[in-house]
Amino acid sequence: QVQLLESGPGLVKASQTLSLTCTVSGGSISSGTYYWSWIRQHPGKGLEWIANINHRGATYHNPSLKRRVNMTIDTSKNLFSLKLSSVTAADSAVYYCARVINSREGVDVWGQGTTVTVSS
Amino acid sequence: SYELTQPPSVSVSPGQAASITCSGDHLGDRYVCWYQQKPGQSPVLVIYQDFRRPSGIPERFSGSNSGNTATLTISGTQTVDEADYYCLAWDTTTLIFGGGTKLTVL
Repeated sequence: QVQLLESGPGLVKASQTLSLTCTVSGGSISSGTYYWSWIRQHPGKGLEWIANINHRGATYHNPSLKRRVNMTIDTSKNLFSLKLSSVTAADSAVYYCARVINSREGVDVWGQGTTVTVSS
Repeated sequence: SYELTQPPSVSVSPGQAASITCSGDHLGDRYVCWYQQKPGQSPVLVIYQDFRRPSGIPERFSGSNSGNTATLTISGTQTVDEADYYCLAWDTTTLIFGGGTKLTVL
């Protein structure tokens, strides 16, 4: 049973870079079957997809966040990471990492989520 | 950019059927997934590929997708089904979520 666990600072200062890591257990991140994803949810709001990465490091971004997002994968450590630059209060949210199969089967495994607050 | 529209809220009485819609341009040409999210929890996949149920999801959950509208139907709705529901579709290489529907069972 694959499990994903987010980690990173819960508090980030405005204008700085938010950095999160997702550690994958119970399965290999090197599998070409999946994409690995970051999704966020603002307080009391809906889900917003941020970006995907595959095992070769190819990335796909939400156009509205693309300029500020850097996503990487470390197959040797079985983890992937998100960096979001120049954060503002609008980036305060619960950040989920997730496993994506494809357009038919969608996002099938989610992490527990981690809350990030941007302070001024 | 592609958008998916859901009603903000749907109410249903226990034991009745609940239908939650998700609308988008030619949505029937894309695959749709549905997620259930309860307060303080991560989303759970309840329908994929328009109508398929993952293992462990009760049979009362069903889905359809045609034209511009996908529908999640919960037959014999139970109080445990009260949650937020989100549809998901892809636009080429990007994932698009609907705004979510709060299902109230009362």
